[in-house]
Amino acid sequence: QQQVKQSPQSLIVQKGGISIINCAYENTAFDYFPWYQQFPGKGPALLIAIRPDVSEKKEGRFTISFNKSAKQFSLHIMDSQPGDSATYFCAAYSGAGSYQLTFGKGTKLSVIP
Amino acid sequence: DARVTQTPRHKVTEMGQEVTMRCQPILGHNTVFWYRQTMMQGLELLAYFRNRAPLDDSGMPKDRFSAEMPDATLATLKIQPSEPRDSAVYFCASGTGEGEETQYFGPGTRLLVL
Repeated sequence: QQQVKQSPQSLIVQKGGISIINCAYENTAFDYFPWYQQFPGKGPALLIAIRPDVSEKKEGRFTISFNKSAKQFSLHIMDSQPGDSATYFCAAYSGAGSYQLTFGKGTKLSVIP
Repeated sequence: DARVTQTPRHKVTEMGQEVTMRCQPILGHNTVFWYRQTMMQGLELLAYFRNRAPLDDSGMPKDRFSAEMPDATLATLKIQPSEPRDSAVYFCASGTGEGEETQYFGPGTRLLVL
């Protein structure tokens, strides 16, 4: 119930292409869905987040698409750049007295020139 | 530029030795989390604190791991005795615990138990 399933495990995209990472959840109590970006040797850092009352949120080249009925959400990286090469984690938060995030397993993105 | 700090950044030790990792959360943050990251398991939540009180440590092996917050500026994670399977990167994160829970991660402690 608490899991967030993330795919693919790894992704190779050409520079300028679109990177797409997908996540699915079961727990309908989740009400906040952040994405974290982690560079090698660093801790994860918040990239972008969405609430389920909107279907899409865009910040620069990064867009979250959210499908509440399917309980799925995805991260799209437009015009992918080598500097975007990192591991991306989706996560979900339910509040309700629990302060913890439930993380997906992560997707290692490599953007090749 | 407020950030979470962790010490040590790297630790190599022998099996059976005690390991203590320290974390200084961002000033004013009242939730503190300890995670372990491995290739196989990804990010695992070990324990977390709210206003220095432990809220959940169900992810932590109780027989060898312990987590404490002696004061608001220091969180510790201790492993005694350490085992090779404890080799991982350990992250501390802190947050305000208000509304959406954005967690700010430290740089991690890379632990190798031989």
